[in-house]
Amino acid sequence: GENVEQHPSTLSVQEGDSAVIKCTYSDSASNYFPWYKQELGKRPQLIIDIRSNVGEKKDQRIAVTLNKTAKHFSLHITETQPEDSAVYFCAENTNAGKSTFGDGTTLTVKP
Amino acid sequence: DAGVIQSPRHEVTEMGQEVTLRCKPISGHNSLFWYRQTMMRGLELLIYFNNNVPIDDSGMPEDRFSAKMPNASFSTLKIQPSEPRDSAVYFCASSLDPNYGYTFGSGTRLTVV
Repeated sequence: GENVEQHPSTLSVQEGDSAVIKCTYSDSASNYFPWYKQELGKRPQLIIDIRSNVGEKKDQRIAVTLNKTAKHFSLHITETQPEDSAVYFCAENTNAGKSTFGDGTTLTVKP
Repeated sequence: DAGVIQSPRHEVTEMGQEVTLRCKPISGHNSLFWYRQTMMRGLELLIYFNNNVPIDDSGMPEDRFSAKMPNASFSTLKIQPSEPRDSAVYFCASSLDPNYGYTFGSGTRLTVV
């Protein structure tokens, strides 16, 4: 069945440093990998996504990489800022059409 | 577009009472999802609809939970009777297609006392 493991569960970095969050999945049929950011008390919001036919995608300070052979994908945030502090969730979709979410990573960016 | 609209934002009810949560998806989105979020269990998919038809309800905890989508612009999640362990934030989300990113509503924070 679907299973997504996300690491680390908490991450603390200094402002300006980079942050990396990794997820692994088990279903080889997974073909879509979104990332969501959830600020305290708010809704999850889609920040970037990648499909299985692409190895890397970048949007300003955030990027996502996908290794289908190893079944893992990662979120990279460069030049972190205090407003990047939030809980980040990875997710994966198969053709069944539903997202299975990781347990989340609480990122704290210290000024 | 106003996004995904959920009501109420907060609900406090007594154990045993019926609770109805409401969701209006983004116009044109064909897929609608109900998730529950707790500290212990994270984000759990309860049920999802595609073109108003329930596709997967395997996440619905038990018979006390039911969901309907009578038309493309409205869905309800009902809990009857409610129990304290149902306390959580319930999110509704919609997407153009099941394999696109979701837009979440603001959620309903349910407290059952």
